[in-house]
Amino acid sequence: AQSVAQPEDQVNVAEGNPLTVKCTYSVSGNPYLFWYVQYPNRGLQFLLKYITGDNLVKGSYGFEAEFNKSQTSFHLKKPSALVSDSALYFCAVRDLYNTDKLIFGTGTRLQVFP
Amino acid sequence: DTGVSQDPRHKITKRGQNVTFRCDPISEHNRLYWYRQTLGQGPEFLTYFQNEAQLEKSRLLSDRFSAERPKGSFSTLEIQRTEQGDSAMYLCASSLAVKETQYFGPGTRLLVL
Repeated sequence: AQSVAQPEDQVNVAEGNPLTVKCTYSVSGNPYLFWYVQYPNRGLQFLLKYITGDNLVKGSYGFEAEFNKSQTSFHLKKPSALVSDSALYFCAVRDLYNTDKLIFGTGTRLQVFP
Repeated sequence: DTGVSQDPRHKITKRGQNVTFRCDPISEHNRLYWYRQTLGQGPEFLTYFQNEAQLEKSRLLSDRFSAERPKGSFSTLEIQRTEQGDSAMYLCASSLAVKETQYFGPGTRLLVL
């Protein structure tokens, strides 16, 4: 079965410092991986996706993610964090073998301190 | 491109009442998905449509839940005889086709008293 894991419930980082939000996956076949962000009382906003090609994927708002097949990871990164990046981040895998639905991790709350 | 919209944004109801939510997908998106998100959890898949056809229902979707997508445009999700355990955020998403990115609406937050 397809699944993703986000090992950290919360990540704290100072503004201006680099940030990493971790995600590992377990899939059959080629993974289709996504990152979404959720602000309080809002829906999910798409950040970026990996389907094939370059292992470093660039997305919205200066975020990028690194796909690592050997470590089955898809960590979200940003070189310089902003206070406005504080939100809930979800990693997801596309279940292409069964309904095409997204399977989400439990989420990581990112807190950026001024 | 106005994005996915959902109505209402918030709903408070008493246990046992019926509620209906509406989702308007991005125009020309033929796939529409419903997810449910409870506090502290990631969204969980409920059901999805390819045009007007409902192709899959999760085991999370009990007999009290029904979804429709007439004419392949907007979709409604109805919950009959609501229970306190139905309290959650109900999210709708749409995509242009299989394998394409799913774009989410703002969600409907349901509170059952």
